[in-house]
Amino acid sequence: GAGVSQSPSNKVTEKGKDVELRCDPISGHTALYWYRQSLGQGLEFLIYFQGNSAPDKSGLPSDRFSAERTGGSVSTLTIQRTQQEDSAVYLCASSSSRSNEQFFGPGTRLTVL
Amino acid sequence: KNEVEQSPQNLTAQEGEFITINCSYSVGISALHWLQQHPGGGIVSLFMLSSGKKKHGRLIATINIQEKHSSLHITASHPRDSAVYICAVRISQFYFGTGTSLTVIP
Repeated sequence: GAGVSQSPSNKVTEKGKDVELRCDPISGHTALYWYRQSLGQGLEFLIYFQGNSAPDKSGLPSDRFSAERTGGSVSTLTIQRTQQEDSAVYLCASSSSRSNEQFFGPGTRLTVL
Repeated sequence: KNEVEQSPQNLTAQEGEFITINCSYSVGISALHWLQQHPGGGIVSLFMLSSGKKKHGRLIATINIQEKHSSLHITASHPRDSAVYICAVRISQFYFGTGTSLTVIP
């Protein structure tokens, strides 16, 4: 594809439900990042995948958050037992090993009622 | 404690003005990123710097590793430059500044 895509673009869920957010990085990009941006707040790093290395999970806010990257391409961010404070825009970015410039997806706006 | 500090938080300029946004960080880094977030929310990476200076069109980014400081300059500013500009560094993980909201008035 031409850029990073994310789905869904919007997700409304009830407190306590699990959600899965998907990121399709640019083909060939070895690095994939997940970020969160809460309303009126700055960007917050969540998790980073680089090739076949173990992911850097140091930004995940709780054990309700997890992410996978299958086949070195598509990534899924899962939030279990969602809470209202999880409401935010979840952004994915990818970069190649050559330049490290990050290309961002359009984000998924998650609203937990 | 914020690892990354940006200033100013808000900036209003007249079209054509020269604009400077500053970013300071507290620890050693390997690279610093400048990002642009438009009102619709989309984020674009403008620069990744590890030393010196980079230029792209009307945008110039500089970094001083010893002083742990970077600046983003916009020459001949235009209303379409109106956006939030975010500084980010990678230490153990990525840390972001709170952003500078720029409005350029025609």
